[in-house]
Amino acid sequence: EVQLVESGGGLVQPGGSLRLSCAASGFTFSSYSMNWVRQAPGKGLEWVSYISSSSSTIYYADSVKGRFTISRDNAKNSLYLQMNSLRDEDTAVYHCARNVGSYGFDYWGQGTLVTVSS
Amino acid sequence: IQLTQSPSSLSASVGDRVTITCRASQGISSYLAWYQQKPGKAPKLLIYAASTLQSGVPSRFSGSGSGTDFTLTISSLQPEDFATYYCQQLNSYPRTFGQGTKVEIK
Repeated sequence: EVQLVESGGGLVQPGGSLRLSCAASGFTFSSYSMNWVRQAPGKGLEWVSYISSSSSTIYYADSVKGRFTISRDNAKNSLYLQMNSLRDEDTAVYHCARNVGSYGFDYWGQGTLVTVSS
Repeated sequence: IQLTQSPSSLSASVGDRVTITCRASQGISSYLAWYQQKPGKAPKLLIYAASTLQSGVPSRFSGSGSGTDFTLTISSLQPEDFATYYCQQLNSYPRTFGQGTKVEIK
């Protein structure tokens, strides 16, 4: 069974940093590209970042470019999101999601809540 | 690429036929997916490549369209279908989602 489990969320002050993790199991993690998608409270889905299976290709949403860094460790079956210079508007539930080419995101984690507030 | 869904919300009864539209700001061929999300849950992939049903998704769901105009249809609404639906374009980065359509019980 495919499972994606996020962790690392919490309360952080504006300007602070947080590192999210996504533990993958039930599939060959190293064969799939991955994404982070977030959802602010009561709002819609916002794609955040993409990383290819070998980490050779990375993309970011303009809203996080220069502040967030996506990475992965295929030996540990884990995906990461390093978030720096956090802003109030980064408050959201962050989901990791498995990418299936240009077909969509077929598996999602339940998400981890990041709250940026003083 | 911006995606505009309509309507933003709708009220329908069990057994109704429901249609949700997604319009892209530029052509995206058939690189469109549809998701269903229930409160407090992760989104679920329903349809990819505009019209291909994801494995395990009931056949009452269908998708159509190409280029800039796309449609998600639920042929006979069931109680478990009350949720929010999102379209997503996979033609280019940044990936974008529509703003969502909330399907509520009438």
